[in-house]
Amino acid sequence: DADVTQTPRNRITKTGKRIMLECSQTKGHDRMYWYRQDPGLGLRLIYYSFDVKDINKGEISDGYSVSRQAQAKFSLSLESAIPNQTALYFCATGTSGLNEQFFGPGTRLTVL
Amino acid sequence: GDSVTQMEGPVTLSEEAFLTINCTYTATGYPSLFWYVQYPGEGLQLLLKATKADDKGSNKGFEATYRKETTSFHLEKGSVQVSDSAVYFCALSGQGAQKLVFGQGTRLTINP
Repeated sequence: DADVTQTPRNRITKTGKRIMLECSQTKGHDRMYWYRQDPGLGLRLIYYSFDVKDINKGEISDGYSVSRQAQAKFSLSLESAIPNQTALYFCATGTSGLNEQFFGPGTRLTVL
Repeated sequence: GDSVTQMEGPVTLSEEAFLTINCTYTATGYPSLFWYVQYPGEGLQLLLKATKADDKGSNKGFEATYRKETTSFHLEKGSVQVSDSAVYFCALSGQGAQKLVFGQGTRLTINP
């Protein structure tokens, strides 16, 4: 079984719709992250959470919100999707004292 | 702020060729440095890392040495295979930051 799972894997939606991307992990890590990948831009951090009660904005949080429902679950929402949010979204986990991160398989989101 | 710059791709090589992908960084203090690899349709996987100056990370025939004097962490492999075709990301984690900053990625294609 995968340690970090993301649902859905692919999603096509229309401008203005609300979308939720979900991430679950079985690694027991306290830290979770949401990134966005665009061609030629690498990965950019949207939001991160160091525990259930700690939520922090990353470099590109505008237009996004998150919810840390439990240590193992971290959801990303687009309240009103727009076409330039079309991208590949990755969830990652980590833990204090271990500075590497572990990534999910990604969600490909297309906003028409 | 912290930043990572990678050589632009795409890079196309023949099987058994020597590979170098350049990576330089800007950061305060002593960051940890990483190379992640993304195979087609998959999430990112940690390839190798180095946590202090002059450390050499290695895995699957790939190597990179943490050079503080040149602020570089170039990825090398002596003889590439078709299965090495992927996108490679250089990244850093600032001292105590627990966040990753990524380069833009370099797409590598190996032809038989």
